Amino acid sequence: EPEVTQTPSHQVTQMGQEVILRCVPISNHLYFYWYRQILGQKVEFLVSFYNNEISEKSEIFDDQFSVERPDGSNFTLKIRSTKLEDSAMYFCASSGYTAHSYEQYFGPGTRLTVT
Amino acid sequence: AQSVTQLDSHVSVSEGTPVLLRCNYSSSYSPSLFWYVQHPNKGLQLLLKYTSAATLVKGINGFEAEFKKSETSFHLTKPSAHMSDAAEYFCVVRRGGGADGLTFGKGTHLIIQP
Repeated sequence: EPEVTQTPSHQVTQMGQEVILRCVPISNHLYFYWYRQILGQKVEFLVSFYNNEISEKSEIFDDQFSVERPDGSNFTLKIRSTKLEDSAMYFCASSGYTAHSYEQYFGPGTRLTVT
Repeated sequence: AQSVTQLDSHVSVSEGTPVLLRCNYSSSYSPSLFWYVQHPNKGLQLLLKYTSAATLVKGINGFEAEFKKSETSFHLTKPSAHMSDAAEYFCVVRRGGGADGLTFGKGTHLIIQP
């Protein structure tokens, strides 16, 4: 069964450094998303991406964040200058049209620790 | 704007007894509603979805949920709990189309007692 994959599973970085989180969505999906879950808090929507551009973004997704689909398979989230409060689990998701709805399928997540 | 409220942060049941996880939603639109499950150190797995077809929705692993518009509820149930059901469960609402982000509830931690 096709699945969303994410690398790395765990990333440790120092405050102020740039990080890139990588995702490979399900191959025939057209919509891509990033979410984050700070420890002990709920999952929060960051951004959606369709047709090579951002479709929707939350207020969390400020200028330090960017997304890119550099080739036909990868979808990346870049955090330009990490802060301590960026420490979280980051989930990538993708969706296609299935049984009259768009179901989002999630990857296993990347745990980002900023020190 | 849309939101979901999961009424219990923790639910504990004995193995073999029924499970009820409660969720209320708020949406200005006709919502799509989902339940996702997250096992320890795993990603989020879709359990079931409601998208304005049948109000009683069946999902994987024996779970089902009933959409009640008059009560703005979408409670998750299972007739008989299994030890493997122990996990975090999230009620989720989506406003509309394919590009819309999901809004998650805070989650309910389901504990299964042997």
